[in-house]
Amino acid sequence: SAVISQKPSRDICQRGTSLTIQCQVDSQVTMMFWYRQQPGQSLTLIATANQGSEATYESGFVIDKFPISRPNLTFSTLTVSNMSPEDSSIYLCSASGAKAATNEQFFGPGTRLTVL
Amino acid sequence: GQQLNQSPQSMFIQEGEDVSMNCTSSSIFNTWLWYKQEPGEGPVLLIALYKAGELTSNGRLTAQFGITRKDSFLNISASIPSDVGIYFCAGQPASNTGKLIFGQGTTLQVKP
Repeated sequence: SAVISQKPSRDICQRGTSLTIQCQVDSQVTMMFWYRQQPGQSLTLIATANQGSEATYESGFVIDKFPISRPNLTFSTLTVSNMSPEDSSIYLCSASGAKAATNEQFFGPGTRLTVL
Repeated sequence: GQQLNQSPQSMFIQEGEDVSMNCTSSSIFNTWLWYKQEPGEGPVLLIALYKAGELTSNGRLTAQFGITRKDSFLNISASIPSDVGIYFCAGQPASNTGKLIFGQGTTLQVKP
């Protein structure tokens, strides 16, 4: 399995500001993903973070609002831009393809974001 | 888009009882994964299933990949208080892009 860390673990932000969340994996992985989990809800995929190229966004999510970087095989960032209270959520990073290229996807602990 | 229907939505059981939950899909999946999420944590992978009909155990947990490739179930035997949490099924569509589709989750509460 892969061990995934996220920073920050939580934050309280003002409306209109932006927050960048970092995701670090302890080994090289094939794929990295970003999810949103709203309170009491399931996980919704925001985008696939592609190494060295633009992320692939799911329907309803756009690059201007959620810019993503993935400069190498172990690190990715998600920025939540121009935040509003509706962005209050848990943001989760995940990775798959560690070591033995399996489809098993492992998650970080999440970043709990509150927008005032 | 593709959806997973997970049931039941919640369960409140007595310690020692067995638990069963399942997920169904309208389309075929290549992989089924079962996760547990506790408050303040990310989902933790419990069991991964890769072939239709596959039955896999992890301690008191047993999961099966349905023959039709459109469903999966998770059983927990002899539940204990630390089994409390939210259990999610997740499926990887046959398009094999690596993406997962998640079920709505089953909240499990265990009464000592």
